[in-house]
Amino acid sequence: AQSVTQLGSHVSVSEGALVLLRCNYSSSVPPYLFWYVQYPNQGLQLLLKYTTGATLVKGINGFEAEFKKSETSFHLTKPSAHMSDAAEYFCAVRKANTGNQFYFGTGTSLTVIP
Amino acid sequence: EAQVTQNPRYLITVTGKKLTVTCSQNMNHEYMSWYRQDPGLGLRQIYYSMNVEVTDKGDVPEGYKVSRKEKRNFPLILESPSPNQTSLYFCASSSLGSETQYFGPGTRLLVL
Repeated sequence: AQSVTQLGSHVSVSEGALVLLRCNYSSSVPPYLFWYVQYPNQGLQLLLKYTTGATLVKGINGFEAEFKKSETSFHLTKPSAHMSDAAEYFCAVRKANTGNQFYFGTGTSLTVIP
Repeated sequence: EAQVTQNPRYLITVTGKKLTVTCSQNMNHEYMSWYRQDPGLGLRQIYYSMNVEVTDKGDVPEGYKVSRKEKRNFPLILESPSPNQTSLYFCASSSLGSETQYFGPGTRLLVL
């Protein structure tokens, strides 16, 4: 089975500071990779995804992530944190060409300090 | 408006009393999934479906059943709920080849 590791269940940054949320996956075959955001009392919303092609992926709200095959990583970054970025973030993987089976990380709660 | 709907949004029940959580999508998506979210465990996939009458087990299928008789609907059935099924449940759908899942608003279930 796939596994997804998110380092740091809680991350705090100051408003305007760099946001870095870490995600590593275990797979012998590069999977499809996703970052989702969950605001309080809401469902999940896709931030960005990597399937094939360019390894630096840009998403909504100024977020981006880079797929690094050698490091089996897909870390999420944003140059300047905004108060509205406070939320729970989930990394997820799906093995290519295996239907609809997804594996999620345990989540990282982002706090933005004014 | 494109959306995934779930009903009920909140449910309190007792051990052993059968229940069904409905999920419906209006986007003509082929793929649908059920997840449960628990603190510290993230989301875990319960069952998924790739089309009508095609379903498969996810990571945590024990104690759950699903059916996909129509493309738009994917109900989750708990035949005999137990307290360890107390959780927040999400339904999601996506189209073939898109990889982007759209999530419903969630159903919070408490089993006493």
